[in-house]
Amino acid sequence: QQQVKQSPQSLIVQKGGISIINCAYENTAFDYFPWYQQFPGKGPALLIAIRPDVSEKKEGRFTISFNKSAKQFSLHIMDSQPGDSATYFCAVTKSGNTPLVFGKGTRLSVIA
Amino acid sequence: DSGVTQTPKHLITATGQRVTLRCSPRSGDLSVYWYQQSLDQGLQFLIHYYNGEERAKGNILERFSAQQFPDLHSELNLSSLELGDSALYFCASSMGTFSGNTIYFGEGSWLTVV
Repeated sequence: QQQVKQSPQSLIVQKGGISIINCAYENTAFDYFPWYQQFPGKGPALLIAIRPDVSEKKEGRFTISFNKSAKQFSLHIMDSQPGDSATYFCAVTKSGNTPLVFGKGTRLSVIA
Repeated sequence: DSGVTQTPKHLITATGQRVTLRCSPRSGDLSVYWYQQSLDQGLQFLIHYYNGEERAKGNILERFSAQQFPDLHSELNLSSLELGDSALYFCASSMGTFSGNTIYFGEGSWLTVV
């Protein structure tokens, strides 16, 4: 059973556009929602994370929107750049000794 | 550079063989996690060690085992290898056990079973 569902699988966005990646989860006990960015040949790296006590978190061009009632959260990349081309993973976990569970990833291509 | 070191970077081996993947966590990190990444399954959690003790187990096959040594480095042992075990194996580390801590990933070990 997939604990977090991520969509779309792939995304092509024009330079300067907005990239939006969505994730949905079932377990209301989850309380930490990070996004990881992975470039080819590299390991995933933490990009931004949110906890359920806020509905939005922004860091530079990257924003997480969190909808607790819908059990969904999304990553918005404003003014997308070719250097943002990578695979993005959402993840979920809950307090305590619980490992991160990842979505299946979204391959983003930003074209000029 | 995340500070997590994995060796070897690439490994090609035959079915039925056994391999050992090695991981050195970031300085000061007590937790080590192993993940398997494949095209169809994404990032799958295998196992978590904290300061030498196993803390959580995920979808790890019985043919696979891991340990964390007193110097905190970890090894993932894969035996009786099958073609389907071909994947990218990541080690990650964090300071504590709480998953809200930032987890830092190494660059992975590519395993190809032929």
